Amino acid sequence: EAGVAQSPRYKIIEKRQSVAFWCNPISGHATLYWYQQILGQGPKLLIQFQNNGVVDDSQLPKDRFSAERLKGVDSTLKIQPAKLEDSAVYLCASSPQQGLGEAFFGQGTRLTVV
Amino acid sequence: GENVEQHPSTLSVQEGDSAVIKCTYSDSASNYFPWYKQELGKGPQLIIDIRSNVGEKKDQRIAVTLNKTAKHFSLHITETQPEDSAVYFCAASIESASKLTFGTGTRLQVTL
Repeated sequence: EAGVAQSPRYKIIEKRQSVAFWCNPISGHATLYWYQQILGQGPKLLIQFQNNGVVDDSQLPKDRFSAERLKGVDSTLKIQPAKLEDSAVYLCASSPQQGLGEAFFGQGTRLTVV
Repeated sequence: GENVEQHPSTLSVQEGDSAVIKCTYSDSASNYFPWYKQELGKGPQLIIDIRSNVGEKKDQRIAVTLNKTAKHFSLHITETQPEDSAVYFCAASIESASKLTFGTGTRLQVTL
């Protein structure tokens, strides 16, 4: 089966610009996650969706980050305006259902803010 | 919230030797403990997981042990091979496929 698809793979932007990342989860997976992985650290959950509803966004900096999952399939994560400290790899993951099965990760989008 | 600590941060072993990575967690409600392998430029990939009703689990050269009383769990890799070289992350959550709290990672290097 196809894995979690993310695009773009790399993005370089200047601070205060906006950027968007796209994720297509594994077909049929109800749960979708966005993680932020800063260099040298473990991934940190930003937001979790169950179908098109938000389950957990407690660690999402809502003043600049937003995410949506229309129709319960694809998802986009947006940063506006970007700060230097947002430089990281943004990982999307999906799982069949909350509490069931493992989480499969995409390759991530490496964001560099200059 | 949950806090996961992982040691060591780097580990170098010779091919054929064993490698052990240890993690501790803080939330006694956590009952799902996966281990992920992350190769350069790729996303984390699950290699083994364990649930709190099990003390040990083995899959070929990889094993994980869990001590719920002490709140720590460990990854054991035997007969290491160069392709085992990667960054390994432990994680904890209240149930599988829910919010994962990751450790800081261990960079394992297997030398010939």
